[in-house]
Amino acid sequence: QQQVKQSPQSLIVQKGGISIINCAYENTAFDYFPWYQQFPGKGPALLIAIRPDVSEKKEGRFTISFNKSAKQFSLHIMDSQPGDSATYFCAASMDSNYQLIWGAGTKLIIKP
Amino acid sequence: KAGVTQTPRYLIKTRGQQVTLSCSPISGHRSVSWYQQTPGQGLQFLFEYFSETQRNKGNFPGRFSGRQFSNSRSEMNVSTLELGDSALYLCASSFAGSNEKLFFGSGTQLSVL
Repeated sequence: QQQVKQSPQSLIVQKGGISIINCAYENTAFDYFPWYQQFPGKGPALLIAIRPDVSEKKEGRFTISFNKSAKQFSLHIMDSQPGDSATYFCAASMDSNYQLIWGAGTKLIIKP
Repeated sequence: KAGVTQTPRYLIKTRGQQVTLSCSPISGHRSVSWYQQTPGQGLQFLFEYFSETQRNKGNFPGRFSGRQFSNSRSEMNVSTLELGDSALYLCASSFAGSNEKLFFGSGTQLSVL
């Protein structure tokens, strides 16, 4: 019940296309859902995060869509660029617990 | 503002040895959490410290331990190293806890031979 399942494991998208990464969770007590971006040789960096009181959050080309009833959330990258090539992790936590549960990651490659 | 600093960057040890990794959080951050990252496994939570107290612990054996000092710097110790401990160990800091923005260091790459 503590798992966060992320798919796909890897993704290749043409430059200018839309990249979509999906995550699913079981624990309905989760109330914080961040996405992190990691480049080789670096630690992850927070990209965007959402709480379950909204169904969508947009920051520039990055959008989180949240479906509370389906217990799913997804990251959409519009107009994908080669510089977006990285590994993306979804995660979930609850305010009463200071532990982030992470998805297994998606390696995204944007082809020029 | 300086970022999260982890030392050393690379470490090679042999089975049975012990190792200590260090993490200096961003100034003013009181929460430090540690993660183990292996290819295909994502990030596995080790533990989190807040104001020198361990507040949460993941499902790792007792060989993995940590502590936090009064200046919020943290150390992680792994005793009796096993081959399976080879991984990237990441430290993250935040002002109050894991349910807010975490700032990660670049990690310590540990290889156990």
